[in-house]
Amino acid sequence: GESVGLHLPTLSVQEGDNSIINCAYSNSASDYFIWYKQESGKGPQFIIDIRSNMDKRQGQRVTVLLNKTVKHLSLQIAATQPGDSAVYFCAEKVGGNTGKLIFGQGTTLQVKP
Amino acid sequence: ETGVTQTPRHLVMGMTNKKSLKCEQHLGHNAMYWYKQSAKKPLELMFVYNFKEQTENNSVPSRFSPECPNSSHLFLHLHTLQPEDSALYLCASSHGQGVGEQYFGPGTRLTVT
Repeated sequence: GESVGLHLPTLSVQEGDNSIINCAYSNSASDYFIWYKQESGKGPQFIIDIRSNMDKRQGQRVTVLLNKTVKHLSLQIAATQPGDSAVYFCAEKVGGNTGKLIFGQGTTLQVKP
Repeated sequence: ETGVTQTPRHLVMGMTNKKSLKCEQHLGHNAMYWYKQSAKKPLELMFVYNFKEQTENNSVPSRFSPECPNSSHLFLHLHTLQPEDSALYLCASSHGQGVGEQYFGPGTRLTVT
């Protein structure tokens, strides 16, 4: 079925450490994946995306890794800062070119000073 | 956040009331979406409009009625809601349905009493 899951509901890290947030997806036909960040009282904010023909993509302090063999997606945040504290969602696009996004449940990242 | 705006930000309504949520996007996008976000659940897609035409209704009860008069505006009309409809309602837009990332508004926090 269609489901996107994150392995841990909460992740607590020390400021300055690297964070890794994981996500498992179920639809092997998904061709596009996105990570969103949602801070308290705000809507989800786009962080980074990746297409299925890639296995890694880097942004500013963030890296997304895609392992299609095991249907696993991860978001790595380098040198985590207090402003990174938020809920992080992965999403996969299913249904081809006009497909819809299926979201995971979210991981809460807590950054300890 | 000013790319997609939503009003009101908070709404409390009784089960017999009629109210409307408004969404406006200033990004020149052609697709708009309504999502429901409940505690401890993934974002649930409700409706999709592409070039003002409804292309997706994700089995949403008829007490929720969307309206898209043009590509920049999206409404969600609410009528005889239930307490379990209390949630954060998020609007999003994208260049086209299934094209690129979706940009989210801040949401309307709805409480049904």
